[in-house]
Amino acid sequence: DAGVTQSPTHLIKTRGQQVTLRCSPKSGHDTVSWYQQALGQGPQFIFQYYEEEERQRGNFPDRFSGHQFPNYSSELNVNALLLGDSALYLCASSLRSGSYEQYFGPGTRLTVT
Amino acid sequence: GEDVEQSLFLSVREGDSSVINCTYTDSSSTYLYWYKQEPGAGLQLLTYIFSNMDMKQDQRLTVLLNKKDKHLSLRIADTQTGDSAIYFCAESIGGSARQLTFGSGTQLTVLP
Repeated sequence: DAGVTQSPTHLIKTRGQQVTLRCSPKSGHDTVSWYQQALGQGPQFIFQYYEEEERQRGNFPDRFSGHQFPNYSSELNVNALLLGDSALYLCASSLRSGSYEQYFGPGTRLTVT
Repeated sequence: GEDVEQSLFLSVREGDSSVINCTYTDSSSTYLYWYKQEPGAGLQLLTYIFSNMDMKQDQRLTVLLNKKDKHLSLRIADTQTGDSAIYFCAESIGGSARQLTFGSGTQLTVLP
């Protein structure tokens, strides 16, 4: 049973560019959440997708957008990258009903230069 | 509002018990979680507790919840060097795995 997978593992981008990160949830899960973890800090909630719609959003600008596909996988897009966007981006999957567990993937380390 | 606080560092000797503490401010928190993060890795779910429980035990892990003081603790019995990691406390508001609010993490160092 595959857990949560994310790609790519590492990414280096230049300020102003755009980036797309990908996530496949744990088998049987239908909800995907994205978190940003800056160095030395705890993860911060970006948004959550369920049934291909954004259901909840944290305090992040519109430069951060996402998508969920019919197979429950998800993408996180960040436009007009800033140096401050450098972080570990974590995807977490869960089951919308009847479960209170969120399982995290290994993350994508994004460096903006 | 939501705010989760943890002490930054904890050092223990191998074989001793570790106690990692966390305080939260939102009294409507439904579930409280403990995650472990090793260097360069994602977060591993260790355990979680429902807000109407006082204690939960899972092998070497014991979670204590004092809802009146909004205090959560994680006790690791017989701490091993493999337990060295960052431990995050997190709260979830509402059911069905809503968004998690994390503390800044406690770096646990296990000394031989």
